[in-house]
Amino acid sequence: DTAVSQTPKYLVTQMGNDKSIKCEQNLGHDTMYWYKQDSKKFLKIMFSYNNKELIINETVPNRFSPKSPDKAHLNLHINSLELGDSAVYFCASSQESATDTQYFGPGTRLTVL
Amino acid sequence: QQPVQSPQAVILREGEDAVINCSSSKALYSVHWYRQKHGEAPVFLMILLKGGEQKGHEKISASFNEKKQQSSLYLTASQLSYSGTYFCGTELLGNTDKLIFGTGTRLQVFP
Repeated sequence: DTAVSQTPKYLVTQMGNDKSIKCEQNLGHDTMYWYKQDSKKFLKIMFSYNNKELIINETVPNRFSPKSPDKAHLNLHINSLELGDSAVYFCASSQESATDTQYFGPGTRLTVL
Repeated sequence: QQPVQSPQAVILREGEDAVINCSSSKALYSVHWYRQKHGEAPVFLMILLKGGEQKGHEKISASFNEKKQQSSLYLTASQLSYSGTYFCGTELLGNTDKLIFGTGTRLQVFP
């Protein structure tokens, strides 16, 4: 069984469009994260949620809006996509806090044309 | 604020050893190490919580020097499966809500 899953795996879209990425974890973890990995492979945290509550919003443009309907799901909606949004987006989860092991999803490769 | 890793890239033959360093400009609470293979997700290797504590499994171990705000990852008798990009993730003292990942070290092991 997949521990952390993301859909879609690939997303190709035009500038200005709105898109969503979904993430689900079946590990029973309380905390979930969104990371962005750019073309230089730098891995940066964007958001974290603990039990559906937003904990970290790491100076991300407000075109990005995370939503956590329950503690097993964390979705990411992006409005008015820009070229610079092209990256791989990883969802991750951990038992309680960032001190705990983080389990990453397979990633969503977003390409904005 | 992003930890700096060195070297940026390492090329090894099977059986050779390597050391990857992670250096922070701020005081650390913990250091995590992850390995990411090409096209895949980062996978957890280990966490170091105390100064000078060394942890490891099989032929991969690590140390954490709190005072120097540094951690090192030791890969002994490398195997082909060790190839990938290694990231340290740091939790800052007083701010343990998140991991700040380092610049990454690309390791390639050849037969």
